[in-house]
Amino acid sequence: QKEVEQDPGPLSVPEGAIVSLNCTYSNSAFQYFMWYRQYSRKGPELLMYTYSSGNKEDGRFTAQVDKSSKYISLFIRDSQPSDSATYLCAMTNAGKSTFGDGTTLTVKP
Amino acid sequence: GAVVSQHPSRVICKSGTSVKIECRSLDFQATTMFWYRQFPKQSLMLMATSNEGSKATYEQGVEKDKFLINHASLTLSTLTVTSAHPEDSSFYICSARGDSLAKNIQYFGAGTRLSVL
Repeated sequence: QKEVEQDPGPLSVPEGAIVSLNCTYSNSAFQYFMWYRQYSRKGPELLMYTYSSGNKEDGRFTAQVDKSSKYISLFIRDSQPSDSATYLCAMTNAGKSTFGDGTTLTVKP
Repeated sequence: GAVVSQHPSRVICKSGTSVKIECRSLDFQATTMFWYRQFPKQSLMLMATSNEGSKATYEQGVEKDKFLINHASLTLSTLTVTSAHPEDSSFYICSARGDSLAKNIQYFGAGTRLSVL
């Protein structure tokens, strides 16, 4: 079983929808939780990172961490076609990062 | 945010030639750099981890003599694909992490698409 499991998708939503992207993990030692966005044929771009349980908001994006349930989410409000990409969750412990396999999101105009 | 520059973005070469890919941290010192390989619509596959001034640590199944990694300075790491063959065609991505930043966060380059004919 993988240490990090990410909802596989793909996910297709209409423009303006609220999107929820989710990952679960098994290692309670993970300390940092990150979300990356990867456009086709590009390297992943860091969107947000959090250190503790709770919510962190940045514009239309909200990262949520629930350490007790070992569950993290990324919410995208008012989704736009430009949000169409693959989203990767990642977590670190002792300097080592473990990535989810990614969820591909398509936002249709 | 921290910037990682990767060059070239695209390279096409003949079978049997060697290709070098550069990864530079532009505004921070990268104490650790990582090299990944990614096939279309698949997840990132870690190839190796390198710390400045030390030999790289390769993941199981990655040929050290095939994929030469050098991390000679705190801002530059290179990946050389030696005697490339068509099966080496892939998307290669570097990332870097630095003590001056949130230590556990990796920042990625834009990737290099290698096509071996």
